[in-house]
Amino acid sequence: GQNIDQPTEMTATEGAIVQINCTYQTSGFNGLFWYQQHAGEAPTFLSYNVLDGLEEKGRFSSFLSRSKGYSYLLLKELQMKDSASYLCAVRGGATNKLIFGTGTLLAVQP
Amino acid sequence: DTEVTQTPKHLVMGMTNKKSLKCEQHMGHRAMYWYKQKAKKPPELMFVYSYEKLSINESVPSRFSPECPNSSLLNLHLHALQPEDSALYLCASSQDPGQLETQYFGPGTRLLVL
Repeated sequence: GQNIDQPTEMTATEGAIVQINCTYQTSGFNGLFWYQQHAGEAPTFLSYNVLDGLEEKGRFSSFLSRSKGYSYLLLKELQMKDSASYLCAVRGGATNKLIFGTGTLLAVQP
Repeated sequence: DTEVTQTPKHLVMGMTNKKSLKCEQHMGHRAMYWYKQKAKKPPELMFVYSYEKLSINESVPSRFSPECPNSSLLNLHLHALQPEDSALYLCASSQDPGQLETQYFGPGTRLLVL
């Protein structure tokens, strides 16, 4: 089966940096995705890692270590609009479907 | 353009009603998905269509009936729903289900069953 763990909530200050961790267990790993979801809205794609290392995209970076079953999403220069839920999702298993973690609710404070 | 559209945005229905949710994408994606999301929970996969054929049904009750009329459209027909079926229903699409493709989500239909 697949299991994904991420912190339930985090708080950070505007302008700061925050790191959201995700650990996973899966068979047949085919990539890890990070999505942002504002309350009542659809998830929007942020990043995708399939190989070990860091992927950078503007203020957002995502890191993957397949041997450790570990990823993190790094958000720099935090803005109030970054307050949202951040979902870690892993693609794998027998049917290669995307399984979401429970999400990390990030609150950015002034 | 990475847009997936869904209609309606909101839907209220009784337990004896029949309604349909619609999803459309014009990105040439060949995989389309239905997810259900309850409040403060992650999206849960319901169905996957691959090249217009149903490839995954996550043991969803038969009161939910998916349909893929063509490669751009995906419907979810609803009949005799229960109040616990109230949720946000998300449609997503990806280029190819067999590859390592990103899924793009529509805005969702918020369903309330009375």
